[in-house]
Amino acid sequence: GDSVTQMEGPVTLSEEAFLTINCTYTATGYPSLFWYVQYPGEGLQLLLKATKADDKGSNKGFEATYRKETTSFHLEKGSVQVSDSAVYFCALWMDSSYKLIFGSGTRLLVRP
Amino acid sequence: DVKVTQSSRYLVKRTGEKVFLECVQDMDHENMFWYRQDPGLGLRLIYFSYDVKMKEKGDIPEGYSVSREKKERFSLILESASTNQTSMYLCASSSPQGAHRYGYTFGSGTRLTVV
Repeated sequence: GDSVTQMEGPVTLSEEAFLTINCTYTATGYPSLFWYVQYPGEGLQLLLKATKADDKGSNKGFEATYRKETTSFHLEKGSVQVSDSAVYFCALWMDSSYKLIFGSGTRLLVRP
Repeated sequence: DVKVTQSSRYLVKRTGEKVFLECVQDMDHENMFWYRQDPGLGLRLIYFSYDVKMKEKGDIPEGYSVSREKKERFSLILESASTNQTSMYLCASSSPQGAHRYGYTFGSGTRLTVV
């Protein structure tokens, strides 16, 4: 079935470091892809999205490119801040399953 | 700003109590969802609803029920709370036409502790 695999955390970085959180997916068709962020004690917020191959989603300095050939949607940021410390979830939507399918989440800790 | 509102941020209940978690959305969304989130287990779908008075079991429905009497409100019910239901509960909504573009909108969560 359709699934999402994220790199395990926690990921610990110093402020201003480069961030990559890997996300790969398995799907029988052409899903829409999402990244959500969850700050401590909060619900999930949509961070960015891409609905077709080669689309790049971006928001708040984060970017992810929908790569059909490698079935990936890796999250990147050039210079992380302490305020980026959160849990990040990759997710896919397939019309056939009619539900968002989430990865297990990756915790990011940014140290000053 | 569009919103999904969960009635309580923190809740403490006793074992055996009947617990109601309320979720209201103001986006006229047809679809609503209840998840629980536990460390190391990610998000697990409990129940969802695609329309008023409709409900479908998710991956872990045991010990829970739901009610959807009005489009904007989706309630999660713990018939007899147990300590293993201590968790963070997240409500979400979406429109059937917009989910592939916009995903789900989540509430802020209810952290439930059963003692």
